Amino acid sequence: AQKITQTQPGMFVQEKEAVTLDCTYDTSDPSYGLFWYKQPSSGEMIFLIYQGSYDQQNATEGRYSLNFQKARKSANLVISASQLGDSAMYFCAMRSLTQGGSEKLVFGKGTKLTVNP
Amino acid sequence: DGGITQSPKYLFRKEGQNVTLSCEQNLNHDAMYWYRQDPGQGLRLIYYSQIVNDFQKGDIAEGYSVSREKKESFPLTVTSAQKNPTAFYLCASSMTGLAQPQHFGDGTRLSIL
Repeated sequence: AQKITQTQPGMFVQEKEAVTLDCTYDTSDPSYGLFWYKQPSSGEMIFLIYQGSYDQQNATEGRYSLNFQKARKSANLVISASQLGDSAMYFCAMRSLTQGGSEKLVFGKGTKLTVNP
Repeated sequence: DGGITQSPKYLFRKEGQNVTLSCEQNLNHDAMYWYRQDPGQGLRLIYYSQIVNDFQKGDIAEGYSVSREKKESFPLTVTSAQKNPTAFYLCASSMTGLAQPQHFGDGTRLSIL
């Protein structure tokens, strides 16, 4: 079964510094996708960045980048130049195909990031 | 603007009562999903649907039911069989394909009276 592990319940970072949020995954599927979402206190889930299992390069989206190490089964999110508005819960998720061809998304438990001024 | 609309934002359920959470999307997405989030926890998949008139159970489907009669709509019913329904419920939709992100509504917070 697919599983996502986020080992950091909470992280603190100073404004303008970079921070890395850890994510490891477990799957036997050869083809999968990894996503990071941000959930502010208001509750909505905001898509940040995607990495495919066959992508050769690490994904980047503005201040977000994904440190993808396939052999270690890790997909850490790096946020550069942290801003106060980055304070939120961050979820790592994995998408894979079932044998029947359906798609399923599995989430980790999340990391609460607090950016200090 | 295209998006996903969940209603109501807050919902209260009495003992033995069924309640239905609405989810509508105008993104023309084929796939739709329902998740449950408990405090301090990640999202757990309740049901998902890849196409109209077809849906599959997720990891915690017991006590819930869904329908997918229209592409735009994927309502979730929390039945009286769900003994611990208090949670935050999120609906999502996506195009099919591993690289397609799921887009989420703003959620419905369900509580027991």
